[in-house]
Amino acid sequence: DTAVSQTPKYLVTQMGNDKSIKCEQNLGHDTMYWYKQDSKKFLKIMFSYNNKELIINETVPNRFSPKSPDKAHLNLHINSLELGDSAVYFCASSQEISGGAGDTQYFGPGTRLTVL
Amino acid sequence: GQNIDQPTEMTATEGAIVQINCTYQTSGFNGLFWYQQHAGEAPTFLSYNVLDGLEEKGRFSSFLSRSKGYSYLLLKELQMKDSASYLCAVRGADSNYQLIWGAGTKLIIKP
Repeated sequence: DTAVSQTPKYLVTQMGNDKSIKCEQNLGHDTMYWYKQDSKKFLKIMFSYNNKELIINETVPNRFSPKSPDKAHLNLHINSLELGDSAVYFCASSQEISGGAGDTQYFGPGTRLTVL
Repeated sequence: GQNIDQPTEMTATEGAIVQINCTYQTSGFNGLFWYQQHAGEAPTFLSYNVLDGLEEKGRFSSFLSRSKGYSYLLLKELQMKDSASYLCAVRGADSNYQLIWGAGTKLIIKP
């Protein structure tokens, strides 16, 4: 009965490969997010979807492409992986995105990506 | 620009009280969140403040002063399991209500 789940938990791959990370939430939330947390522990927003519509698309390389097949899923595909992509990627969801308490975000367990 | 400042690291003793400060400068204000993150784990929600004053939740309390751009998280009766990073995040007033995150304060609890 995990609220926000991500797969895989660990991902080790070679430079230049393409990989995907999957995220699912069973909270009935409308909004989902992808964050990158680097070694300095800064949480950096990458993308946000509300009801399958992209609403936040920060300055990330276009090698990163999110896909939201439905409200409960937000996947992240990364092409041509680089060493600097090594980080922990967190998926999160919130009930809504309205500027109130309903924006509280609930995080998945994270995917630790290591690019060799 | 928009930024959030928190101390990088703090140390406290088991059973004591500790206050973690957060100051922010953002374009508008629509709420402030505190999250706890244990090493190797996901951030988990602790508290939300949108009005000035103190919100109490068990051993944890969070205070907000919007005029000062200031918040603190107060942890009482510290336990070893409280050793974690504490992240302050502010929702600004842009159309996407994007959260702006602080770098977090690493709290070390000693016996």
